[in-house]
Amino acid sequence: AQSVTQLDSQVPVFEEAPVELRCNYSSSVSVYLFWYVQYPNQGLQLLLKYLSGSTLVKGINGFEAEFNKSQTSFHLRKPSVHISDTAEYFCAVTTLGSGDKLTFGTGTRLAVRP
Amino acid sequence: EAGVAQSPRYKIIEKRQSVAFWCNPISGHATLYWYQQILGQGPKLLIQFQNNGVVDDSQLPKDRFSAERLKGVDSTLKIQPAKLEDSAVYLCASSLDRRDEAFFGQGTRLTVV
Repeated sequence: AQSVTQLDSQVPVFEEAPVELRCNYSSSVSVYLFWYVQYPNQGLQLLLKYLSGSTLVKGINGFEAEFNKSQTSFHLRKPSVHISDTAEYFCAVTTLGSGDKLTFGTGTRLAVRP
Repeated sequence: EAGVAQSPRYKIIEKRQSVAFWCNPISGHATLYWYQQILGQGPKLLIQFQNNGVVDDSQLPKDRFSAERLKGVDSTLKIQPAKLEDSAVYLCASSLDRRDEAFFGQGTRLTVV
């Protein structure tokens, strides 16, 4: 069975500082990987996705993530955060085959302070 | 392009009552998902449809939850009877196909009292 682990439930950071949100997955087969963001009282919005090809993926709002197959990780990074980046971030994985279910991690709350 | 539409946005019911949620996916999207998101947790997949067929409902509490997707378009999720622990946001999402990006609606916040 596939699973997604987000190691940090909360990440406080000062404005303009860099940030990394960690995500690890478990799967014995090929995967597609996603990062979603959820602003208060809103649905989830896709930040970026890895399907194949280059392991460094760039998304919206200046975010990027790197797929590391050997470490089964897909960490999200931003070199300089803004107050407006304060939100909940979810890592998700689709294991190819077995119905292609989209499974989410428990989320990381990014709190950007001035 | 219109997004995923869900209604109602909010619902408060007493335990043991029944409730239904409605979802209209993006036109042309074959895959439709219902997720349950309890406060402070990640979304949990309840059921996944491919057109009007069920792909996965392994985490759907079938003694009280039911879902259908008539004609492979709109979908309804029903809870009967509701329990206090059903209080959550119910998210509907759709994608062109099972491996494509999922687009989410704004969700229905259910409070069971």
